[in-house]
Amino acid sequence: AQKVTQAQTEISVVEKEDVTLDCVYETRDTTYYLFWYKQPPSGELVFLIRRNSFDEQNEISGRYSWNFQKSTSSFNFTITASQVVDSAVYFCALSDYNTDKLIFGTGTRLQVFP
Amino acid sequence: GAVVSQHPSWVICKSGTSVKIECRSLDFQATTMFWYRQFPKQSLMLMATSNEGSKATYEQGVEKDKFLINHASLTLSTLTVTSAHPEDSSFYICSVPGPISYEQYFGPGTRLTVT
Repeated sequence: AQKVTQAQTEISVVEKEDVTLDCVYETRDTTYYLFWYKQPPSGELVFLIRRNSFDEQNEISGRYSWNFQKSTSSFNFTITASQVVDSAVYFCALSDYNTDKLIFGTGTRLQVFP
Repeated sequence: GAVVSQHPSWVICKSGTSVKIECRSLDFQATTMFWYRQFPKQSLMLMATSNEGSKATYEQGVEKDKFLINHASLTLSTLTVTSAHPEDSSFYICSVPGPISYEQYFGPGTRLTVT
């Protein structure tokens, strides 16, 4: 069965701190995609990144970086020098190879205090 | 600009009435669309896959007679919550697969409150 686990329910940090959101997944597929989405209070999902299972290169985009490790089935997300605007719920998701369906983790609520 | 739109963005209805939510793909045609439900402070759960020209595929535990899905055209899917009850109050989000494999575009969501 496919599953995404985000063990951290809520994280609170003070502005400028670095924070890492954990994501562990389970799948039997050899080809799959992993995603991170941000959901601000408005509710609309904001796409952050998509990574395919064959590309284990870490990625950096501004203050955001992602660490994909197939050996541990993890796809962790780090925000460097966090800002208040980063406050949101962050979801990690796994795509089903055959159907394009997304399996979401339970989300991590990040609160960044000034 | 927006790739997927939903209408309405929010709706309040009385218990026992039916509510229709529209999901439109603005930039490309979609033979498949997905409907998700998100209860407060919970994750998104896939309800069903809407298929243009054929019946929707429902996930386990989702009542097909209660959540009617019609994929009327290659750009429009509708979700009708029939005989709504307060426990149906939720945030309903649709998504459209993009032209590139594994891309997904999400609508802004519809917040349904049943009183």
